[in-house]
Amino acid sequence: AQSVTQPDIHITVSEGASLELRCNYSYGATPYLFWYVQSPGQGLQLLLKYFSGDTLVQGIKGFEAEFKRSQSSFNLRKPSVHWSDAAEYFCAVSNQAGTALIFGKGTTLSVSS
Amino acid sequence: DAGVIQSPRHEVTEMGQEVTLRCKPISGHDYLFWYRQTMMRGLELLIYFNNNVPIDDSGMPEDRFSAKMPNASFSTLKIQPSEPRDSAVYFCASSLELPPAGEQFFGPGTRLTVL
Repeated sequence: AQSVTQPDIHITVSEGASLELRCNYSYGATPYLFWYVQSPGQGLQLLLKYFSGDTLVQGIKGFEAEFKRSQSSFNLRKPSVHWSDAAEYFCAVSNQAGTALIFGKGTTLSVSS
Repeated sequence: DAGVIQSPRHEVTEMGQEVTLRCKPISGHDYLFWYRQTMMRGLELLIYFNNNVPIDDSGMPEDRFSAKMPNASFSTLKIQPSEPRDSAVYFCASSLELPPAGEQFFGPGTRLTVL
């Protein structure tokens, strides 16, 4: 069965510093991968997704993610974090059969000044 | 478009009471999803509909939970009777297509507290 692991429950980054949030998946075939962000009191918003092709995916708000099949990873990155990026981030996987998304437990990002 | 609308945003009830959560999907979206978010289990899919028909309800925890979609613009998730372990944030989402092709748009959620 598919599963998603986000090893870091909580990360604190200084404003202006770079960010990397880790995501590992378990899936037999080529996965479809997603990153969502949830701001306090809000629903989830899609940041980016990977289906196929270029393994480096660009998303909204300056985020990018890299798919590494050999490591079963899909880590989210941002070169310079802004205070408004403080939120909870979810990695998710979907299979080709089109079942709904399977989410990781999430990583809470705090941004210090 | 106003996005996915959920009501109420917060609900506090006592154990044994019936709870009804409501969702209005984005107009034109054929798929509607109900998720539950807890600290212990994270975000879990409960059920999803296609064109108002329930397709997969394997995530519904037990018979106390039921969901309906009487028309394309309205869905309910009902818990009867409610229990303290049902306390969670319940999200509704809608999409034009199933993932991965269809992006799911999430509502703001309903925070349910069962005392």
